[in-house]
Amino acid sequence: QPVLTQSSSASASLGSSVKLTCILSSGHGSYIIAWHQQQPGKAPRYLMKLEGNGSYKKGSAVPDRFSGSSSGADRYLTIANLQSEDEADYYCETWDSNTVVFGGGTKLTVL
Amino acid sequence: EVQLLESGGGLAQPGGSLRLSCAASGFAFNYYAMSWVRQAPGKGLEWVSTISGSGDNTYNADSVKGRFTLSRDNSKNTLFLQMNSLRAEDTAVYYCAREDGSSLRFVDYWGQGTLVTVSS
Repeated sequence: QPVLTQSSSASASLGSSVKLTCILSSGHGSYIIAWHQQQPGKAPRYLMKLEGNGSYKKGSAVPDRFSGSSSGADRYLTIANLQSEDEADYYCETWDSNTVVFGGGTKLTVL
Repeated sequence: EVQLLESGGGLAQPGGSLRLSCAASGFAFNYYAMSWVRQAPGKGLEWVSTISGSGDNTYNADSVKGRFTLSRDNSKNTLFLQMNSLRAEDTAVYYCAREDGSSLRFVDYWGQGTLVTVSS
């Protein structure tokens, strides 16, 4: 089954941009993933679906500041013009024939 | 508007049982696969179980196989998770979630969650 690897933490300044990474395990580099955001004390929220060719489709009401891209087995979430409400945990998710996998999550701090 | 409302969480003793429910609205419930995802205190997201839109197929994480049973009532737009032989490590917030399609894929809508605590 696939494994998703994420950095445990990241930080960036208010108004700047940040690029979060989710790495697919060997043999699963073509997989589609989803990105989710979880603000402190809240339920997760679906952000986007991201394909291996870099094509992405966002969920409803996701701001234009959020975008996705891919390079090989790496899947990226870029947040431009960081706002204080972007401080959250970010998880990637993928699936196989009979299982679903989440990455360990990246805690984003907005300085 | 898609809405997922969980209920049934609470305190259970080790070895005990609980039944979670998720009332869905705002979409064609009988088409979409549905899942439960849990989050232990201070930890990340963990997939628990998924059921296809028709209810014919279910998929379970190894950690809950043989103990948890996922079912759905498409006539009542409701999802159920029967949890038996509960363990302390099952303590978590349980989120009801809609999949992006009729079978196992990825979550595109989340509920607000219900807390399950397993303790004596």
